Amino acid sequence: DAKTTQPPSMDCAEGRAANLPCNHSTISGNEYVYWYRQIHSQGPQYIIHGLKNNETNEMASLIITEDRKSSTLILPHATLRDTAVYYCIVRVVRDYKLSFGAGTTVTVRA
Amino acid sequence: AAGVIQSPRHLIKEKRETATLKCYPIPRHDTVYWYQQGPGQDPQFLISFYEKMQSDKGSIPDRFSAQQFSDYHSELNMSSLELGDSALYFCASSYGTGVINEQYFGPGTRLTVT
Repeated sequence: DAKTTQPPSMDCAEGRAANLPCNHSTISGNEYVYWYRQIHSQGPQYIIHGLKNNETNEMASLIITEDRKSSTLILPHATLRDTAVYYCIVRVVRDYKLSFGAGTTVTVRA
Repeated sequence: AAGVIQSPRHLIKEKRETATLKCYPIPRHDTVYWYQQGPGQDPQFLISFYEKMQSDKGSIPDRFSAQQFSDYHSELNMSSLELGDSALYFCASSYGTGVINEQYFGPGTRLTVT
């Protein structure tokens, strides 16, 4: 599996957009980019995933660069409840498991 | 909407004892995954089942075994417990397998080995 690199932590002001970067420079053509988050000791929660096109759902937007070597998760209007560890995960097609690496601890401040 | 159910939520055992953790997937989900999260660590994949057959295996100790039953619920059996087995154990479920099938996680079972 391709490895991912994320900043260890970042702060965000409540109501502002939070932009979470992820580097996956060794990603291959059949690997998807997934984002999950874990709010303090709760089960990880699926956010969004994409292959090469930008994706948006009710929680977030995912921007993948044209060369697919990096991506950005955007939380459009961060709230205090978005404080969590965010994981960027690259998965091969038909891969069963999620391989959690060191994510980004996002702290949303009032 | 129905979520993944795990029981018990908390479990305290002594060294060398056995423990059984149970997972009830979301209705109609046919795939179950188990993850272990030690204190201050990230979740690590243990094992998964699809249609009652083991589908993938991670860093699961030989002392642990798991199975998925005909009603799709799964049990993780842990024997000869060690202090290092103290962790949060998450179960996740999905409909189908593969990369496009989102995994939905349960609330976890916190196992403490004393």
